[in-house]
Amino acid sequence: SQELEQSPQSLIVQEGKNLTINCTSSKTLYGLYWYKQKYGEGLIFLMMLQKGGEEKSHEKITAKLDEKKQQSSLHITASQPSHAGIYLCGARPGTASKLTFGTGTRLQVTL
Amino acid sequence: DAGITQSPRYKITETGRQVTLMCHQTWSHSYMFWYRQDLGHGLRLIYYSAAADITDKGEVPDGYVVSRSKTENFPLTLESATRSQTSVYFCASSAAGSPLHFGNGTRLTVT
Repeated sequence: SQELEQSPQSLIVQEGKNLTINCTSSKTLYGLYWYKQKYGEGLIFLMMLQKGGEEKSHEKITAKLDEKKQQSSLHITASQPSHAGIYLCGARPGTASKLTFGTGTRLQVTL
Repeated sequence: DAGITQSPRYKITETGRQVTLMCHQTWSHSYMFWYRQDLGHGLRLIYYSAAADITDKGEVPDGYVVSRSKTENFPLTLESATRSQTSVYFCASSAAGSPLHFGNGTRLTVT
């Protein structure tokens, strides 16, 4: 089965600082999904990457998928308190529609 | 309103009791999923469904039963609740190959 490892497990950054979260797969990724979860709430879809070398941005968040399609990174520029939460990467094992998730990265942004 | 709703939001039950968690989506998505989220384990897939009357086991199906008689509903039943089933349960839906959309979760405590 596909395993996704996220690093770091937790992160505390000062407001305004940049940060990167990594997601590494044991197998080739057929679609990599980034989600954000606030405490006590459901997961909010952020971005989907499918092609090797693909990069997508939304506001101050940029996600990349490496050429080999086994590693993705999520970069936040000039972090804000609203960025705080748990970030999870998810991937599809082949063509199946179910997602396997990493264990998440907990982000705190201090003032 | 369009979306995916779970009920109840919170549930406390006793060991051995039967509990049903409800999930309803208004997008007519063909796929629906049940995950549980536990500290240290992340999100784990319990069951999923590709269409009405089609269900399949996920990573941790033991002790759970699902049904899908209508496209929009995907209830999850714990036939005889155990303490190890104390968790936060998330329902999700998606079109084929598209991102999953999650409900806000049900926090279940088994005493």
